[in-house]
Amino acid sequence: DTGVSQDPRHKITKRGQNVTFRCDPISEHNRLYWYRQTLGQGPEFLTYFQNEAQLEKSRLLSDRFSAERPKGSFSTLEIQRTEQGDSAMYLCASSLALAGGCCETQYFGPGTRLLVL
Amino acid sequence: AQKITQTQPGMFVQEKEAVTLDCTYDTSDPSYGLFWYKQPSSGEMIFLIYQGSYDQQNATEGRYSLNFQKARKSANLVISASQLGDSAMYFCAMSTGNQFYFGTGTSLTVIP
Repeated sequence: DTGVSQDPRHKITKRGQNVTFRCDPISEHNRLYWYRQTLGQGPEFLTYFQNEAQLEKSRLLSDRFSAERPKGSFSTLEIQRTEQGDSAMYLCASSLALAGGCCETQYFGPGTRLLVL
Repeated sequence: AQKITQTQPGMFVQEKEAVTLDCTYDTSDPSYGLFWYKQPSSGEMIFLIYQGSYDQQNATEGRYSLNFQKARKSANLVISASQLGDSAMYFCAMSTGNQFYFGTGTSLTVIP
């Protein structure tokens, strides 16, 4: 399978704990995106990387959230001191951005469902 | 400000009929892309179709077509010959290069 993969698929944690999610993009894709989706809503953009550089962060990404893509391949999203309001589906997507191009298609992984008790 | 608007929370269509899902967008960027994704109950977002802001022709992909009306800032999805497997949430999305927006989605139910 050469699609986007995410791990774990489900995570239950207690309020105040730290959690880390991993995303492996499609191998030749240079861009990687993180989104959060709550019940009944569309995905909300959190951040994205081009290779290892984090180029954009949403205001939704509070200080408790941090994302890395150290070698320009896989990425991790960490949430520190989780709160019940962090319960959501966390989606990762990847794309191949060409120089001078715009708006390439993003391909999504299956997501990680987080439940904070 | 809402960038993508989907005004139909739920839609029903008879099997084998066509259905149109509405989407309007708001941007001042001249270069942007419009997308439709399908999200079944399993949760995965499946890419359906793409329309670039400079594309002259409406995009088509099999049973999916995108009715792009630039002046009206609308990008409606048309599904022809609906199938039971088309029952899902459908999201309209827009990319302006560094900004990415999704609508709130339309739940489509195909009736046998």
